[in-house]
Amino acid sequence: DQQVKQNSPSLSVQEGRISILNCDYTNSMFDYFLWYKKYPAEGPTFLISISSIKDKNEDGRFTVFLNKSAKHLSLHIVPSQPGDSAVYFCAARSSYGGATNKLIFGTGTLLAVQP
Amino acid sequence: ETGVTQSPTHLIKTRGQQVTLRCSSQSGHNTVSWYQQALGQGPQFIFQYYREEENGRGNFPPRFSGLQFPNYSSELNVNALELDDSALYLCASSLGTSGRFDEQYFGPGTRLTVT
Repeated sequence: DQQVKQNSPSLSVQEGRISILNCDYTNSMFDYFLWYKKYPAEGPTFLISISSIKDKNEDGRFTVFLNKSAKHLSLHIVPSQPGDSAVYFCAARSSYGGATNKLIFGTGTLLAVQP
Repeated sequence: ETGVTQSPTHLIKTRGQQVTLRCSSQSGHNTVSWYQQALGQGPQFIFQYYREEENGRGNFPPRFSGLQFPNYSSELNVNALELDDSALYLCASSLGTSGRFDEQYFGPGTRLTVT
């Protein structure tokens, strides 16, 4: 039962253009969402997050949008840079019961930014 | 400030054997979570330790066990290894603010291969 889904295994974008990574979830108890970036041979690093009480959060070139009614979130990277090439994981968390830091991850999207 | 470190980097074991993986948390962090990332999948939550006590567990059998020490380093032990246990094992440490989600800092992982 995949509660967090990233349906695009890979995405290729030209440098300077917008990258849009998508994520869908099924559990309506999720109240906090995060994006992590992972380079080969490194652990995931936190990128940006959003609480379920918001619909947008922005940090520099990165913006996350949340559509609760559609149970969908997306990460926008503008402008895309070659150094952004990595695997991006969407993750979700529920405040209701269980470990406070338990994250449910999607399967990841490999972003390749072409120079 | 030192980051999260894990040892060993790589490990090859035979089915039926036991393995211990180690994690050193980021300085000042008292919560550690362990994740299993199978090939092509996102990380899956195994369990979390807070101040040396397990306080949350994912859908993993009892042969996956852990310890957290007074200096907040931790171990993941897996008994009776199965071929499907082959994966990247990630630990993540966080400040552990009671009842609140804290940003998690991931280590680079230990790649376990079971033959």
